[in-house]
Amino acid sequence: NAGVTQTPKFQVLKTGQSMTLQCAQDMNHEYMSWYRQDPGMGLRLIHYSVGAGITDQGEVPNGYNVSRSTTEDFPLRLLSAAPSQTSVYFCASSSSSSYYDKTYGYTFGSGTRLTVV
Amino acid sequence: GNSVTQMEGPVTLSEEAFLTINCTYTATGYPSLFWYVQYPGEGLQLLLKATKADDKGSNKGFEATYRKETTSFHLEKGSVQVSDSAVYFCAPYTGGFKTIFGAGTRLFVKA
Repeated sequence: NAGVTQTPKFQVLKTGQSMTLQCAQDMNHEYMSWYRQDPGMGLRLIHYSVGAGITDQGEVPNGYNVSRSTTEDFPLRLLSAAPSQTSVYFCASSSSSSYYDKTYGYTFGSGTRLTVV
Repeated sequence: GNSVTQMEGPVTLSEEAFLTINCTYTATGYPSLFWYVQYPGEGLQLLLKATKADDKGSNKGFEATYRKETTSFHLEKGSVQVSDSAVYFCAPYTGGFKTIFGAGTRLFVKA
């Protein structure tokens, strides 16, 4: 059971380039999300999805797009990379897609370390 | 809005020492409380959780008790090992798909 798989593990981009960070899970989880991790700031939510065809913004959505065409995949697109987007990106999923269910934790991928120069 | 405060690290301990990592939160409503651990080069893993007041979550020798009156969820372990060296995140969740993560506390355990 692979859990949550993120690719690539490392990426260097030039300012203005675009790219897609991939995330796939094989646990049939409805809820998926993207976080960025920056030193001293914990994790901040970028976008999330509660099922195929349903996405919503998190705390820091600017400069990022997402789509959810299947239950398994939740790619994150950087439209025009900026140095401020240098970060470690984590994809997370949960077995609960209920707005009010607070009891389920997340399964995380191993992360993508992105550097924008 | 909701927020969480963790003690600043790094915390450096010798093997077999007692560990406490403090976590306090502010939240509207009645959150569930989680601790996650991040080992070097890896993603976060769920360590333990508690979903109602006075509940104690436990896993791998770690424990934390949901203290509603002090809005705290301190992580403890009686005897740390070198393999416990990691970053620990406190994460209250009130629903609505938006978990809040603390800044993380880095733990170093020396042999």
